Amino acid sequence: AQSVAQPEDQVNVAEGNPLTVKCTYSVSGNPYLFWYVQYPNRGLQFLLKYITGDNLVKGSYGFEAEFNKSQTSFHLKKPSALVSDSALYFCAVREAHTGFSGGYNKLIFGAGTRLAVHP
Amino acid sequence: KAGVTQTPRYLIKTRGQQVTLSCSPISGHRSVSWYQQTPGQGLQFLFEYFSETQRNKGNFPGRFSGRQFSNSRSEMNVSTLELGDSALYLCASSPEIAGYGEQYFGPGTRLTVT
Repeated sequence: AQSVAQPEDQVNVAEGNPLTVKCTYSVSGNPYLFWYVQYPNRGLQFLLKYITGDNLVKGSYGFEAEFNKSQTSFHLKKPSALVSDSALYFCAVREAHTGFSGGYNKLIFGAGTRLAVHP
Repeated sequence: KAGVTQTPRYLIKTRGQQVTLSCSPISGHRSVSWYQQTPGQGLQFLFEYFSETQRNKGNFPGRFSGRQFSNSRSEMNVSTLELGDSALYLCASSPEIAGYGEQYFGPGTRLTVT
């Protein structure tokens, strides 16, 4: 079964410093990978996805993620953190199934990493 | 274009009661997925509907059910509520079957069971 792991419950960064939020995955076949962010009392917002192509994916709000097949990782990065980036970040992988009754796809989410950016 | 809307935003119910939550997807989106978010279990997939058909179901008891209407609006129902059902219930829509591309999430319904 597909799975994702976010090894850090919380990441603390000073404003202006680069940030990295880690994600590793386990899939059979080619991975479809996603990053979402959740602000307090809000739903999840899509940041970026990797389907195929360049290993460096650029997304919303200046975020980017690096896909590394050999390390089965998809770490989220930003060159210069803002206090407003403080939120809960989720990595997700697509789980797909093809069967006689029709296929399905669903997203499997990691446990989430709380990012705290300090002034 | 309006985003995903969920009603109600907050709900307090008593153990043993039932509840119905509603989700209106982004116009033109045919896939609606539901997730339960709790501090202990994180985000867990409940089910997905596409063109009024349930395409996928997570590992939840039969007390959790859903449906999708011809206009793609979706409802989920939880019968015989338990204290452990207290959670944020998130709905997400996408143009195609969820998982091919990004999903767009609503603000959620915060359900508290007392």
